[in-house]
Amino acid sequence: DAGITQSPRHKVTETGTPVTLRCHQTENHRYMYWYRQDPGHGLRLIHYSYGVKDTDKGEVSDGYSVSRSKTEDFLLTLESATSSQTSVYFCAIVGDANSPLHFGNGTRLTVT
Amino acid sequence: AQSVTQPDIHITVSEGASLELRCNYSYGATPYLFWYVQSPGQGLQLLLKYFSGDTLVQGIKGFEAEFKRSQSSFNLRKPSVHWSDAAEYFCAVGAETGGFKTIFGAGTRLFVKA
Repeated sequence: DAGITQSPRHKVTETGTPVTLRCHQTENHRYMYWYRQDPGHGLRLIHYSYGVKDTDKGEVSDGYSVSRSKTEDFLLTLESATSSQTSVYFCAIVGDANSPLHFGNGTRLTVT
Repeated sequence: AQSVTQPDIHITVSEGASLELRCNYSYGATPYLFWYVQSPGQGLQLLLKYFSGDTLVQGIKGFEAEFKRSQSSFNLRKPSVHWSDAAEYFCAVGAETGGFKTIFGAGTRLFVKA
């Protein structure tokens, strides 16, 4: 979608390797989120950010870390990928409480 | 903390029939409520949202939802389903505080039969 880009779109990696997913926005929104989507679980919040260098944990944060050094970029890192982290990852942004989330196109990650 | 329950994992309706997808939420304050739709292999698209005011909200594609505070529900309805409505539907609740976190239900997959 315009304004929010995720990279890579697809990635296959081996168990135990580090992986970083990138979310880039051009909307200058303060709030950014990482979700994972798995069958039967919907979207679950991993981490979120409410400003540069301000982040907090979501529902399923174990095994993940995030960083936000610039307003436009929000990185999700799997320090040591496991097969349970095989999923589709979505980044989302929002400008204020009266607006819905605006999603990226997702990153399909497979950990073998 | 907020939470969302969608009791139906999947629903099958005939084309032209009416549809109601159930959603119950838990949140201590006035919630921000959303319905999103996701077609296979696609991202999420907002159908409608409720923030305040009229409890019956209209959305895109002929969908509507009604907020019932006493039942903690926000059910999605459509009077006549089209085959193109087959997709997965997610109810979500947002919080005004705490980073505007939005929590999603597990989703309901809609199948439409001819």
